[in-house]
Amino acid sequence: QKEVEQNSGPLSVPEGAIASLNCTYSDRVSQSFFWYRQYSGKSPELIMSIYSNGDKEDGRFTAQLNKASQYVSLLIRDSQPSDSATYLCAVNQGGSEKLVFGKGTKLTVNP
Amino acid sequence: GAVVSQHPSWVICKSGTSVKIECRSLDFQATTMFWYRQFPKQSLMLMATSNEGSKATYEQGVEKDKFLINHASLTLSTLTVTSAHPEDSSFYICSARRTERAYEQYFGPGTRLTVT
Repeated sequence: QKEVEQNSGPLSVPEGAIASLNCTYSDRVSQSFFWYRQYSGKSPELIMSIYSNGDKEDGRFTAQLNKASQYVSLLIRDSQPSDSATYLCAVNQGGSEKLVFGKGTKLTVNP
Repeated sequence: GAVVSQHPSWVICKSGTSVKIECRSLDFQATTMFWYRQFPKQSLMLMATSNEGSKATYEQGVEKDKFLINHASLTLSTLTVTSAHPEDSSFYICSARRTERAYEQYFGPGTRLTVT
């Protein structure tokens, strides 16, 4: 059973702090990793994709991948109240076009 | 780029009727589209994978005769919920894969279906 695990939270951080979201996956042959943001009542929005070990930065977002540990994370610097949402980790199921999604971590940024 | 639209955004129908939902990739071609369902406070559940010009592949437990999927072109896929019942009420979301961008999926805004 291919699984993607996330801490369901809720994770609460003050405005301006760094929010750290974590995700582990079970399928060792996974090659592609994604973070989606989903506001309440809305559909998911792709915010980061990462394919190789290390860090990838895009604005206030940094994705980190460690394939040996089967671990991917998302850091949000200078968190804003508008970042309050559920963050979904998604992993490409090896050899398939499908993505396996975690259940999401709900983030609340307090003004 | 990578805009996906869905229509309608919400629909209310009576039990026993059928509802069609359209999913379009507006600025790219999508050889593969996916249909998901999401119940309140739950994660996404993949229903089926739709490839242009071929039959959809349904996930285990999803009734193919109830959820009809047609991927008519590289920019359009439709989901028809046949003989809808109240338990089919949910948030239906499509996504499209950009062929040249590995496995990135871009989601439409979703369709909220309520069956009375």
